[in-house]
Amino acid sequence: GENVEQHPSTLSVQEGDSAVIKCTYSDSASNYFPWYKQELGKRPQLIIDIRSNVGEKKDQRIAVTLNKTAKHFSLHITETQPEDSAVYFCAASKANFGNEKLTFGTGTRLTIIP
Amino acid sequence: AAGVIQSPRHLIKEKRETATLKCYPIPRHDTVYWYQQGPGQDPQFLISFYEKMQSDKGSIPDRFSAQQFSDYHSELNMSSLELGDSALYFCASSSTGTVADTQYFGPGTRLTVL
Repeated sequence: GENVEQHPSTLSVQEGDSAVIKCTYSDSASNYFPWYKQELGKRPQLIIDIRSNVGEKKDQRIAVTLNKTAKHFSLHITETQPEDSAVYFCAASKANFGNEKLTFGTGTRLTIIP
Repeated sequence: AAGVIQSPRHLIKEKRETATLKCYPIPRHDTVYWYQQGPGQDPQFLISFYEKMQSDKGSIPDRFSAQQFSDYHSELNMSSLELGDSALYFCASSSTGTVADTQYFGPGTRLTVL
């Protein structure tokens, strides 16, 4: 089955600096890669996603890049703010006809230092 | 906009008891997923249903069963509870045929087994 690795497990950055989180996946058939933000005890919230026919996607301060050949994708957060502090999970699935489970990475705890 | 609803939000049970968790997907969503998240861990896929039929099964113990009803709500039944079943249980829903595989998570049920 699919295996998703995520690095780093913890990341501390100064407010205003950029943060980068990286994930690799094992199944070349995976074609949908969402990123979720989870605050303590709360639900995972989708912040951005990318599909395999696209190499990069941006939404304001958040961007995701995908390298299908190397089977890795990254989350970039620019101009970080204290409210960006949370655990971030990458995930992968084979979105062919829908109803495909997500396989999550192990998470990155991001701390923004004021 | 309507979101995924889960009930109860908190549940405390004794070992060997049973528990039933309920999930009401976003209206017109046809697929429901169940995930289990232990403390400090990533969400692990348990089971999914598409149009009231089981579509995929993950690492779900034989003590657990689930179904999706005609109104698309889903229930996760857990029997012979063990201490290790203490976790957050999330339900997610998606709609095949629109933006396929975008899964939206409910607020979760925190199950504590004493």
